[in-house]
Amino acid sequence: GAGVSQSPSNKVTEKGKDVELRCDPISGHTALYWYRQSLGQGLEFLIYFQGNSAPDKSGLPSDRFSAERTGGSVSTLTIQRTQQEDSAVYLCASSLEARGGYYEQYFGPGTRLTVT
Amino acid sequence: GQQVMQIPQYQHVQEGEDFTTYCNSSTTLSNIQWYKQRPGGHPVFLIQLVKSGEVKKQKRLTFQFGEAKKNSSLHITATQTTDVGTYFCAGDWVYSGAGSYQLTFGKGTKLSVIP
Repeated sequence: GAGVSQSPSNKVTEKGKDVELRCDPISGHTALYWYRQSLGQGLEFLIYFQGNSAPDKSGLPSDRFSAERTGGSVSTLTIQRTQQEDSAVYLCASSLEARGGYYEQYFGPGTRLTVT
Repeated sequence: GQQVMQIPQYQHVQEGEDFTTYCNSSTTLSNIQWYKQRPGGHPVFLIQLVKSGEVKKQKRLTFQFGEAKKNSSLHITATQTTDVGTYFCAGDWVYSGAGSYQLTFGKGTKLSVIP
């Protein structure tokens, strides 16, 4: 079946512009995660959606970052007034609903964001 | 917040040598997951360990969960060039209900295999 898809695969933007990154999770997966990975670094948690619950936004680095998930499926991560330090690969993952623990996460290919 | 410490950060081995990466938590974990990320790729789930002292094997890979559930290891026997990549552990402490994220990734161990 289809895996997690993300678009665009690459995005180059000028400093100060807004960007939207899209994630299509695996059908039937109710949990969705956004991470950021800078070059050669680990995974930085950004935001977590679980079913109809309010998202856990504790990882968002500033109020320039926001995300929504429409209809419990597609998610959009928005970065306003981009800065050069926002340059990174943004990874989306999805999993079955976590009950008493976490199911394996399936990662998308990521969006490589470059802010010039 | 909770953290998992992963060591070493980098490891260079000759092809055929063994490799081990370690993941440690200061507090008891509920479970732990391991992921592999190939160069230029995205993380791919390898395994999840839940029980104290659990040992699981996948061909040349052996995963262990400590008796106290505070540490875990991944051991690769006789490394091959296909093992190249970064190995991440991800720890989960307490599931505190829907909407609360508790899974934390280690910084990863980057494995290089010299042919």
